[in-house]
This record gives sequence, structure tokens and C-alpha cells, in this order.
Amino acid sequence: EPEVTQTPSHQVTQMGQEVILRCVPISNHLYFYWYRQILGQKVEFLVSFYNNEISEKSEIFDDQFSVERPDGSNFTLKIRSTKLEDSAMYFCASKLQPGAGPYEQYFGPGTRLTVT
Amino acid sequence: GIQVEQSPPDLILQEGANSTLRCNFSDSVNNLQWFHQNPWGQLINLFYIPSGTKQNGRLSATTVATERYSLLYISSSQTTDSGVYFCAVVRSNDYKLSFGAGTTVTVRA
Repeated sequence: EPEVTQTPSHQVTQMGQEVILRCVPISNHLYFYWYRQILGQKVEFLVSFYNNEISEKSEIFDDQFSVERPDGSNFTLKIRSTKLEDSAMYFCASKLQPGAGPYEQYFGPGTRLTVT
Repeated sequence: GIQVEQSPPDLILQEGANSTLRCNFSDSVNNLQWFHQNPWGQLINLFYIPSGTKQNGRLSATTVATERYSLLYISSSQTTDSGVYFCAVVRSNDYKLSFGAGTTVTVRA
């Protein structure tokens, strides 16, 4: 069964450093997401991406965050200058269709980011 | 935004017991998904169930969209069922999932 993959599974970085989290969505999916879960809290939406541009972003997704689809398979989240409060589990998700219809979202296993 | 409330927040079960988790939401939805978060933090997709009833082994789920709630049933619970169960919905005409705060299930041997 096709699945969303994410690398690395765990990333440790120092405050102020840049990190890139990588995702490979399911191959025929068109709509992509990043979500974040701070330890002990619920999962929050960060950003959605379709047709090589951001469709929607949350208040959390400020100027230090960016997303990119550098080739036909990868989808990346970059954090320019990490802060302690960026420590969280980051989930990538994808869905088949871009519309607002009843389409299931498929989640990757997550990348645990620890900022020291 | 849409409100997603899960109950109970915590549930302790003896192995073999049955349980019901509830998810209420405040607006009409076109997508509802149940997840199990395992000890490694991974979100395991249990059900995609915007309406109706589905079963998968010892787990089943029912969503009554018109009444804005969904139920997740765990039967004959096992210790491996322990973890946090999340309900997440997409409001109609929206694109993103909104998650509830989760129900933490502990199954004791």
C-alpha cells in the first residue's frame, strides 16, 4: 500500500540553525500539508500546498517557515532560524484531490525536531 | 474555527474490556478521521469515516454527521491498544484537518 514517508525520523539542532524536514507524499496525490504537534498537545495545521504554491497557512506559519516542492516527489518544510519553541513532532500529509470534498488525508510517520 | 471535543480525556481499562470514545464537532464536516498515536508518536490512521459505520477487527466507528458526533468502539481491549486516540475533522468547504485534544487510553494486563 502506498504511504507517505518522512526523513529524518529525529532531528536535533541548535537554536538559530536552519533545518529542512523532508517528505515524500503518495505519488499520485496533489495536495500536501504540514502539521505540528508540540509534546502533550493536539496536532495543529501549519500549511497546505497545491500546484506549487501555498493554499493556506496558519498563524503559526510565520516568515521563518517555508515550503517547497523541489522536484516531482519531495515536499519540504524549512525552518530558517530555529527557536526552542519549534521543538515538536512535524507531520506531513497528502491527499489525492485538491478540492474541499470528502478526501482522506494520509499521514507520514513524523519527524521529531528537538531544538537545544 | 470548528470546535472538536473528545471525551473522556482519559480512560483506564482492564484487558478484555470494551469501551466507547466520543467526538463532538461544532459544524458540518465533509471528512472525519480517527487516529491512534503510538508510543513512538506516529499517527496511525484507523478510520476515514465522514458518515456511516465501519469495522476493522476489534475496532469500529460510527459517524452521525447530521448530529455532529462520531463514536469509536474498542472491543476486547489489549495492552497494545494503549495510546492516544485523536478525532480530526474537515469543516465543509475547508481543506485542513482540525484535531481534538485526544483520549488517552491505558489498557492494563
